[in-house]
Amino acid sequence: AQSVAQPEDQVNVAEGNPLTVKCTYSVSGNPYLFWYVQYPNRGLQFLLKYITGDNLVKGSYGFEAEFNKSQTSFHLKKPSALVSDSALYFCAVSLLYNFNKFYFGSGTKLNVKP
Amino acid sequence: DTGVSQDPRHKITKRGQNVTFRCDPISEHNRLYWYRQTLGQGPEFLTYFQNEAQLEKSRLLSDRFSAERPKGSFSTLEIQRTEQGDSAMYLCASSSQKKTGELFFGEGSRLTVL
Repeated sequence: AQSVAQPEDQVNVAEGNPLTVKCTYSVSGNPYLFWYVQYPNRGLQFLLKYITGDNLVKGSYGFEAEFNKSQTSFHLKKPSALVSDSALYFCAVSLLYNFNKFYFGSGTKLNVKP
Repeated sequence: DTGVSQDPRHKITKRGQNVTFRCDPISEHNRLYWYRQTLGQGPEFLTYFQNEAQLEKSRLLSDRFSAERPKGSFSTLEIQRTEQGDSAMYLCASSSQKKTGELFFGEGSRLTVL
């Protein structure tokens, strides 16, 4: 069975500091990996994806994520957090042979304090 | 506004009643997805359409649930004989064939079953 784990329910970081939101996955096959963000009362928004190629992918709003096959991880990072980054972040995985079915993690609430 | 729209945004119903949700995807998107999200969890896949064809259904989608996309444009999700366990946020998303994994989500339809 495919699954995604986001081990932290909440991450707190001060504005200007680097942030990391963790994600690990378990799949049978080659994964496609994604990060989505959800702001209050808004729909989920696509941030970035890893399909193939360079393990470091860059996305919207200065976010990036690194695919680590040996550790089955896809952590989301940003060098300098903004208060406006405060939101709920979801990691998701799908499979090469069935990329239309996504498995989402339970989400991590990011709080960026001024 | 050319995003994904869902209607109604909130539905309160009594157990045993039928409810129907509508989703209007982004017009040029041929793929449409339904997900369900409960508090503290990530979205769970329910079903997926490519044009008017329903290509996959989750085992979560019991016989009481039915989804249609009759002309390959808008979609409806009907829940018959609602149960309290059906209370959740029902999310619709659409995507283009050109951008794998980049789902555009609506703001969701919240169902409360009393």
